[in-house]
Amino acid sequence: GAGVSQSPRYKVAKRGQDVALRCDPISGHVSLFWYQQALGQGPEFLTYFQNEAQLDKSGLPSDRFFAERPEGSVSTLKIQRTQQEDSAVYLCASSLVVGTGGSYEQYFGPGTRLTVT
Amino acid sequence: KQEVTQIPAALSVPEGENLVLNCSFTDSAIYNLQWFRQDPGKGLTSLLLIQSSQREQTSGRLNASLDKSSGRSTLYIAASQPGDSATYLCAVMGGGATNKLIFGTGTLLAVQP
Repeated sequence: GAGVSQSPRYKVAKRGQDVALRCDPISGHVSLFWYQQALGQGPEFLTYFQNEAQLDKSGLPSDRFFAERPEGSVSTLKIQRTQQEDSAVYLCASSLVVGTGGSYEQYFGPGTRLTVT
Repeated sequence: KQEVTQIPAALSVPEGENLVLNCSFTDSAIYNLQWFRQDPGKGLTSLLLIQSSQREQTSGRLNASLDKSSGRSTLYIAASQPGDSATYLCAVMGGGATNKLIFGTGTLLAVQP
């Protein structure tokens, strides 16, 4: 596929369960981003990877949230001991890292809708 | 801290009308600004990206302008169609190493046939 893919598309978890959300970026894209979108809101930044290095995790809301990208391609966002306030759509985006003058355009996946009951 | 605001929050227009969506941001030190479209239950589709050095970008019936000094952008949609119904989001990319996007809350557009 040519685009960013995410799985699962929908996830229902009982409060206290751990979940893992997967993102497959566009092949060759160095940068990978995770965003959280609450109902009726715009997406909010969670974390950023350049290859396998997590360069910014300032948006992660608590230490229950953990992201990794061990081989610089696929990324997993893990949420431990889920709470109702974690219910949201989790979006993944990827982009090329180019030199000065590049567009840094981000391409988004369809998202994973997480519902915590 | 950068904040992005979109007005109006919702808009309903009859088919064929031209319309303007507004986006404002508080910190003019941006690298670029993007307009996205989001359909219900779907991800984001990039419509237009304007670099900080540019004033506008056009794609088909869409035209986006950027006035960085005043912290404003507009998205102009000509001859609206029912298929244009969606939520429109603007996002700015600030400077620094992360290149994260900061989004507004969106404008929900309904084009009535």
